[in-house]
Amino acid sequence: DVKVTQSSRYLVKRTGEKVFLECVQDMDHENMFWYRQDPGLGLRLIYFSYDVKMKEKGDIPEGYSVSREKKERFSLILESASTNQTSMYLCASSFSTGELFFGEGSRLTVL
Amino acid sequence: AQSVTQLGSHVSVSEGALVLLRCNYSSSVPPYLFWYVQYPNQGLQLLLKYTSAATLVKGINGFEAEFKKSETSFHLTKPSAHMSDAAEYFCAVRGQRTGANSKLTFGKGITLSVRP
Repeated sequence: DVKVTQSSRYLVKRTGEKVFLECVQDMDHENMFWYRQDPGLGLRLIYFSYDVKMKEKGDIPEGYSVSREKKERFSLILESASTNQTSMYLCASSFSTGELFFGEGSRLTVL
Repeated sequence: AQSVTQLGSHVSVSEGALVLLRCNYSSSVPPYLFWYVQYPNQGLQLLLKYTSAATLVKGINGFEAEFKKSETSFHLTKPSAHMSDAAEYFCAVRGQRTGANSKLTFGKGITLSVRP
């Protein structure tokens, strides 16, 4: 089975802290994605990567950056966390045109 | 450009009744279409997908969806609802492209409630 593992299920951070969310997949997928999920807004794409060291901005990249140094790992970075970044963050991976496989999600609270 | 519209945020049906969740899409290139389900405190799980083969697609848990190009629709149905179908459902579209053009766009989701 495909496994997408997100490093933390729940995090609590303070405003201004730097936050790292890690995601690892074990299926040699080219594509990896970071979404945030908020009630009433569905899933919104933050960034995605279609190859190592390659990244594309999604619909809401402001306040976020990403890193993909190895094919299996895709990190989401909040340089200076703010309260409006309190959300559920979902990582996913896929082959080039296939379906996405999702992790369990990381629920971030910024105080 | 691509987008997905899921009208309404909540659907309630009785156990044993027909489930119909609507999805309309727009895409500037031939699309791949997906339905996902999310149970509380879990990630998303694929229900079914359309990838330009048969227009009627069968998925897991008795769900199916029909791709109608003329209506730009991909509605999800199940003949008889079960209590365990209560969840949030997302429709998604991506273009038949690779690389930088391969992102997946989701609708806002619909919460399905099933009454005993």
